[in-house]
Amino acid sequence: DIQMTQSPSVLSASVGDRVTLSCKASQNINKNLDWYQQKLGEAPKLLIYFTNNLQTGIPSRFSGSGSGTDYTLTISSLQPEDVATYFCFQYNSGPTWTFGGGTKLELK
Amino acid sequence: EVQLVESGGGLVQPGRSLKLSCLASGFTFSNYGMNWIRQAPGKGLEWVASISSSSSYIYYADTVKGRFTISRDNAKNTLYLQMTSLRSEDTALYYCARRMRTTVATLDYWGQGVMVTVSS
Repeated sequence: DIQMTQSPSVLSASVGDRVTLSCKASQNINKNLDWYQQKLGEAPKLLIYFTNNLQTGIPSRFSGSGSGTDYTLTISSLQPEDVATYFCFQYNSGPTWTFGGGTKLELK
Repeated sequence: EVQLVESGGGLVQPGRSLKLSCLASGFTFSNYGMNWIRQAPGKGLEWVASISSSSSYIYYADTVKGRFTISRDNAKNTLYLQMTSLRSEDTALYYCARRMRTTVATLDYWGQGVMVTVSS
């Protein structure tokens, strides 16, 4: 099974900061990776699909990149409403898929 | 507007069964694959099961294989998860989610979840 490791597990940043979240796969996942945002008490929301495609309605300050085993979610200018936990999700190893453990993003 | 509403959760004793439902609206349900994902209290997300639009393809996580059954009724716009031989580690918030048609498994809409607690 493919393991997904997210780092850091907790990230503190200030409003306006450029923030980078990392997701590392245990083997090549061929860009088959999404990013989800989960705010406290809410269901997860799709942000980015297939590594770098912004879901409709998601602010352009969110972007994704990566290839092979290493993937990144970047928030260009952190806003207060971005406080949440972010999960990566791989679907290269069909038909079973796995989430990363999550990165909790807090305001400093 | 796409809506997914889960129901059927509750408190159940270990070894017993429970059946979850997810009522879909706002889209043509029969055209989309669907999934169940769960989240134990204070923990991360775990993909549980997937079913294709016509029920031709069904997949399970190893942790639930042989105990859970995913199914759907396209005439009723409803997704199901039959859970048997429940264990304490199955305690979680269970989400249904729609699979985007663009990629293999992207989950573009999620319900609000239904809580399942397995305890004696």
